[in-house]
Amino acid sequence: KNEVEQSPQNLTAQEGEFITINCSYSVGISALHWLQQHPGGGIVSLFMLSSGKKKHGRLIATINIQEKHSSLHITASHPRDSAVYICAVGSSNDMRFGAGTRLTVKP
Amino acid sequence: NAGVTQTPKFRVLKTGQSMTLLCAQDMNHEYMYWYRQDPGMGLRLIHYSVGEGTTAKGEVPDGYNVSRLKKQNFLLGLESAAPSQTSVYFCASSYLKGVGTQYFGPGTRLTVL
Repeated sequence: KNEVEQSPQNLTAQEGEFITINCSYSVGISALHWLQQHPGGGIVSLFMLSSGKKKHGRLIATINIQEKHSSLHITASHPRDSAVYICAVGSSNDMRFGAGTRLTVKP
Repeated sequence: NAGVTQTPKFRVLKTGQSMTLLCAQDMNHEYMYWYRQDPGMGLRLIHYSVGEGTTAKGEVPDGYNVSRLKKQNFLLGLESAAPSQTSVYFCASSYLKGVGTQYFGPGTRLTVL
């Protein structure tokens, strides 16, 4: 079993829909990261959080430390949100990554 | 600021050839990392560095060597390339290890024939 599991692996949505991507982890962490990888391949960091909730524009990330679970929400999805979203968990020693969720938003 | 840059962007090698990938960052970050990304798998850490002159093994270090002679540069070497090393390689840097935001380079697509 991978230390970081994401679901779903693939997600197709219509423009405007509310999107949720889930991440569960089995190791102790200091912080959880959400990353976005566009079709061109570049990876950018969206959020880093260790508790609670963070919001940036239409993106919201939440984490439940007790349940070892995080969610990334996208409100009013848009075709430009199409990308692979990657969950990663970090500790003082290491960083482990999920396999990613491929999101396609159709107009 | 250029952020994190990687050279080359693409490379094709024959089995047994050697090459070096260069990563450079201009953010004065202490921590630098080399990852590989394979289809259906998450990014996996090859080697990392916690500062100039230091390197350490990550999750999948076999077949690779690294050097960090200058704080801004982190080199990844393949001494004798194998088809199993066909992958996309990403370099990243951060101010803090594990808990700091990582800034990624654009990636290098390597094919070993």
